[in-house]
Amino acid sequence: AQSVTQLDSQVPVFEEAPVELRCNYSSSVSVYLFWYVQYPNQGLQLLLKYLSGSTLVKGINGFEAEFNKSQTSFHLRKPSVHISDTAEYFCAVSRRVTGTASKLTFGTGTRLQVTL
Amino acid sequence: GAVVSQHPSRVICKSGTSVKIECRSLDFQATTMFWYRQFPKQSLMLMATSNEGSKATYEQGVEKDKFLINHASLTLSTLTVTSAHPEDSSFYICSAVGTGGLQETQYFGPGTRLLVL
Repeated sequence: AQSVTQLDSQVPVFEEAPVELRCNYSSSVSVYLFWYVQYPNQGLQLLLKYLSGSTLVKGINGFEAEFNKSQTSFHLRKPSVHISDTAEYFCAVSRRVTGTASKLTFGTGTRLQVTL
Repeated sequence: GAVVSQHPSRVICKSGTSVKIECRSLDFQATTMFWYRQFPKQSLMLMATSNEGSKATYEQGVEKDKFLINHASLTLSTLTVTSAHPEDSSFYICSAVGTGGLQETQYFGPGTRLLVL
């Protein structure tokens, strides 16, 4: 079984400041890693994902994340946030299984609040 | 690419009635779709996994007779909430997984807000 921990339920930050949203996971098998963003009353939008290869992954809207296997982390970063980045961010993992879809295990989410 | 739609986006119904929610993959074929439920300010809770042409697999604690899932084609899955009650009020979100290079990633629909009076 997998588990995902997002330690920060809320992260307040000023506009144009850098931000890091933390995600740690636990799994006995290899996993794929994802970050999704959810704006109010909307579904989830894929920000980025790590499947294999380079551990530094770049996503949409200027976000990036780094997979650290030894620390079992997949922290999300953005060098300069905008008001429009205010949203709920979910980290998720799934088992690395080829040829079939695997369930996602979600963290509890981090509310990013960007203010002027 | 990889767009998923849901219909309706919002629905209000009376207690005891049934409500059907559609989930469609618009530009890819989805061999597997997932149905989630989300309560306010909480994470997503997986309800069931739906595979095209076979019966859905429900998570523990989810009543299969109350939440009927049909995945009749590679682009459409439906969730029917039967005899809805106020406690079924929630935000329901589906996701879809494609074939080939889209197999590892779930693409989510915009969600359906259900309010049962």
